[in-house]
Amino acid sequence: QVQLQESGPGLVKPSETLSLTCTVTGGSITSDYWTWIRQPPGRGLEWIGNMFYSGGTNYNPSLKSRVTISGDPSKNQFSLRLTSVTVADTAVYFCARKDGTHWGQGILVTVSS
Amino acid sequence: IVLTQSPGTLSLSPGERATLSCRASQSVDSNYLAWYQQKPGQAPRLLIYGASYRATGIPDKFSGSGSGTDFTLTISRLEPEDFAVYYCQYYIGSPRTFGQGTKVEIK
Repeated sequence: QVQLQESGPGLVKPSETLSLTCTVTGGSITSDYWTWIRQPPGRGLEWIGNMFYSGGTNYNPSLKSRVTISGDPSKNQFSLRLTSVTVADTAVYFCARKDGTHWGQGILVTVSS
Repeated sequence: IVLTQSPGTLSLSPGERATLSCRASQSVDSNYLAWYQQKPGQAPRLLIYGASYRATGIPDKFSGSGSGTDFTLTISRLEPEDFAVYYCQYYIGSPRTFGQGTKVEIK
């Protein structure tokens, strides 16, 4: 059974970089593709992007200039990097296998000074 | 592709049938239409993929249908654990898109 777990700081200052890691167990990030999705408090789901380890990445155009998703197969982890954050980036961030067959529990990241 | 879900909130009693709608801004490939359930404080759970196929472990009270621009999630008889928010998703191309959600609440 594939399991995912997000980790990273829960508080980031405006203009700084948000960095999160998703650790995968029960599956390999070199197979399938892996996704980041976020959900602002009280709102709906927003697709951030995905990573095909052997085949590149796709990003939401609304975030593309600030987002990088990458993988580390030695640790079976994939990561999200979002630069120049603002309060609008405050959200629960989820990692998922493919488009959502399996999800992490989510991590709340607050952008505040 | 923009997905519009209706209604925004559905107030029903346990035992009743729930019918949720997801309308696409243009015709989509039904092979890539999914439905998720999300309860407060939890990650979404995949219910339906390919418009009508139940995900592993999903009970048959959940069913999906539709094609083209109109898709429906039906919950045949609501149980207390079914009161939640439901999202549709189109999962081909980039960016992937979600509907804004339908909240099914206890009447």
